[in-house]
Amino acid sequence: GDSVTQMEGPVTLSEEAFLTINCTYTATGYPSLFWYVQYPGEGLQLLLKATKADDKGSNKGFEATYRKETTSFHLEKGSVQVSDSAVYFCALSDRDSSASKIIFGSGTRLSIRP
Amino acid sequence: DTEVTQTPKHLVMGMTNKKSLKCEQHMGHRAMYWYKQKAKKPPELMFVYSYEKLSINESVPSRFSPECPNSSLLNLHLHALQPEDSALYLCASSQMQGGETQYFGPGTRLLVL
Repeated sequence: GDSVTQMEGPVTLSEEAFLTINCTYTATGYPSLFWYVQYPGEGLQLLLKATKADDKGSNKGFEATYRKETTSFHLEKGSVQVSDSAVYFCALSDRDSSASKIIFGSGTRLSIRP
Repeated sequence: DTEVTQTPKHLVMGMTNKKSLKCEQHMGHRAMYWYKQKAKKPPELMFVYSYEKLSINESVPSRFSPECPNSSLLNLHLHALQPEDSALYLCASSQMQGGETQYFGPGTRLLVL
């Protein structure tokens, strides 16, 4: 079945450091890919998405590119801030299914030091 | 507007209580979802409603009873819960099509004593 694997956390960085969180996926169809972010005590927010190969999703300085050849969707940000501290979930949704069932990765906890 | 609202924000209940969680969206989405999230884990799908009909039940115990009264509302009725049911309960909605974005509410943090 479909699955998502993302790098284990926690990840701790200093403010203004470069961030990469790796995500790879396995899918039988042609999925849409997502990054969701969960701040402490809150629900999940969509951070960015991509629906086809070579698409780049971007939002709030974060970027991820849909790489079909490597089945990857790595999250990057050039300069992180303390306010980026949160849990990040990589996810996919099979576009061939009738409802938008999401498969989540295990989540990566990110902590940014001032 | 991409807002999903959930009430209450927090809930404490005993094992013999009956309570309900409520979820509302006004985005015209025809798919709605209940998830359960334990600490440091991703959300686990519980139920999916498609066009107000239950389409997926992920083998959830019968002490959780979902209800979709109309296309904007989703309820989760709770009865005779166990302490291990304590978790964050998230509602989400999406267009009725695979690959579409799910929009999540802020969740109800449930504690069962």
